[in-house]
Amino acid sequence: DVKVTQSSRYLVKRTGEKVFLECVQDMDHENMFWYRQDPGLGLRLIYFSYDVKMKEKGDIPEGYSVSREKKERFSLILESASTNQTSMYLCASSLLLGGEKLFFGSGTQLSVL
Amino acid sequence: KQEVTQIPAALSVPEGENLVLNCSFTDSAIYNLQWFRQDPGKGLTSLLLIQSSQREQTSGRLNASLDKSSGRSTLYIAASQPGDSATYLCAVRRGGTSYGKLTFGQGTILTVHP
Repeated sequence: DVKVTQSSRYLVKRTGEKVFLECVQDMDHENMFWYRQDPGLGLRLIYFSYDVKMKEKGDIPEGYSVSREKKERFSLILESASTNQTSMYLCASSLLLGGEKLFFGSGTQLSVL
Repeated sequence: KQEVTQIPAALSVPEGENLVLNCSFTDSAIYNLQWFRQDPGKGLTSLLLIQSSQREQTSGRLNASLDKSSGRSTLYIAASQPGDSATYLCAVRRGGTSYGKLTFGQGTILTVHP
């Protein structure tokens, strides 16, 4: 089975801090994604990557950046955390960009105080 | 802009009932549609994936159908069990310049009581 591992289950940070969320997948998938999930707004795509060092903006990239130096690892970076970035962050991966299933990690609940 | 709507927002049924969850989308130019399950505080688990050329997919007690022209999908759960209690989300994979991106519905919260 595909395993997508997010490094932290819960994270508490202060406003203005630089925050790194890490995600690792073990199935040699080409594509990795970062979503945030908020009550009433559902899941929204922040960034995705279809190859090492390649990235594309999702629907809500403002305030975020990403890094993919190795195929198995995709990092989400909050350059200067703000309270409106308090959310559940979900990482996902898929073998192909097109018709394949998406596999999700367990999520990181981030609170910015 | 693709919009995905799920009805009902919440559903409570007794154990053993057959039930249907609905998903509708505004733009029929999709590559596929997935149904996911999410347990409280957890990530999503893919249940069924229907390609745009397919009409339905089945896995155990689950059956998902797709009518692309009318922008609708249904998830049928047979003989529901308390362990089926979770939030069910549908997501469509967009085409064109948005290729690769998924748009999610808000989900249906299902409770199956013994």
